[in-house]
Amino acid sequence: DAGVIQSPRHEVTEMGQEVTLRCKPISGHNSLFWYRQTMMRGLELLIYFNNNVPIDDSGMPEDRFSAKMPNASFSTLKIQPSEPRDSAVYFCASSLQQGTGELFFGEGSRLTVL
Amino acid sequence: GESVGLHLPTLSVQEGDNSIINCAYSNSASDYFIWYKQESGKGPQFIIDIRSNMDKRQGQRVTVLLNKTVKHLSLQIAATQPGDSAVYFCAEIPGTYKYIFGTGTRLKVLA
Repeated sequence: DAGVIQSPRHEVTEMGQEVTLRCKPISGHNSLFWYRQTMMRGLELLIYFNNNVPIDDSGMPEDRFSAKMPNASFSTLKIQPSEPRDSAVYFCASSLQQGTGELFFGEGSRLTVL
Repeated sequence: GESVGLHLPTLSVQEGDNSIINCAYSNSASDYFIWYKQESGKGPQFIIDIRSNMDKRQGQRVTVLLNKTVKHLSLQIAATQPGDSAVYFCAEIPGTYKYIFGTGTRLKVLA
């Protein structure tokens, strides 16, 4: 298996622009997570999906952030409009079992908002 | 709120020596713990895990120790190699999807 695949790896955009990050989880994994990583706050859980259904989005910073999982093999995280404070590395991760197993991370999408 | 903390933000070790990375966790209900390694520009990678019914678990060159009395977790790396240079995170899983990650310890291996 190719592992969790994220795109783009790097994104530089201007404040106010829309950003869409994409994720393909490992086939067969039914749990998908979006995390944000910064030096100050480490890894923060943004949203968790189980069987394509959003279970917990309490970590989503504000209404500018939204996430979807239209099917078991694809998820998106959208920021509209983007702000400089959104600059971070965004990770997608998937796992086979909820809360009991290894979390497999993608390589991350590094976002810079100017 | 609950958090996982690390005692040493940066650890420098001579190549060939053993490394010990420590972690304190706060949720006594956590029953599963994982150590992750994150190399520069990459995502965290699973190293080793341990469940709360164990005190010690060994892998290839790595050992995880769990002390539930003082809520302490450690990762030992034997014969540290240059390829071990990375940031190491501990994570506690309190029985739900809410994995709690520490901020990480940077391990530097000196030649």
